[in-house]
Amino acid sequence: AQTVTQSQPEMSVQEAETVTLSCTYDTSENNYYLFWYKQPPSRQMILVIRQEAYKQQNATENRFSVNFQKAAKSFSLKISDSQLGDTAMYFCAFMKHGYGGATNKLIFGTGTLLAVQP
Amino acid sequence: DAGVTQSPTHLIKTRGQHVTLRCSPISGHKSVSWYQQVLGQGPQFIFQYYEKEERGRGNFPDRFSARQFPNYSSELNVNALLLGDSALYLCASIGTGNTIYFGEGSWLTVV
Repeated sequence: AQTVTQSQPEMSVQEAETVTLSCTYDTSENNYYLFWYKQPPSRQMILVIRQEAYKQQNATENRFSVNFQKAAKSFSLKISDSQLGDTAMYFCAFMKHGYGGATNKLIFGTGTLLAVQP
Repeated sequence: DAGVTQSPTHLIKTRGQHVTLRCSPISGHKSVSWYQQVLGQGPQFIFQYYEKEERGRGNFPDRFSARQFPNYSSELNVNALLLGDSALYLCASIGTGNTIYFGEGSWLTVV
């Protein structure tokens, strides 16, 4: 069974600074996807960034980038130029590649609560 | 384009009652999934439906059921509600490349 571990329950960063959130996972699969989701106080789960395991290049979305280390099963999220609106719970998630009729099931970590300080 | 829409947004039920939650996926998406998020935890997978067929079920009791309609909208039903069913219920719409988008959720409180 796959597991996702986020070892930082809470983190704090000053506005405009850079912060890195950690995520490790355990799987015997070779093809899979990794995601970071943001959940602000409104509780809507917002997709931040997505990485396909077969791609060696790290995904980037504006101020958000990942460091994907497949051999180490590590998937960290870097937020550059932090903004007050980045304050939220961040969840790392894993999903097996859905071949044919396979289930597209996300497995989430326990989350990291990020507070951006003015 | 509209995102994933869920209704109702908040509801309060009494133990033993039944609840129905509704979800409409993003236009063009044929698959929906349901997740339960208890306060302080990450979401847990309940069901996935694709083209009206159940594609996967998580580790939830038979009191939980779901279905998908020809227009790809979906309902999640929970019977014989327990206090522990109090949670945020999230619907997800699955697009190309297995990218998953969530709705705003339905807050269920069981008293």
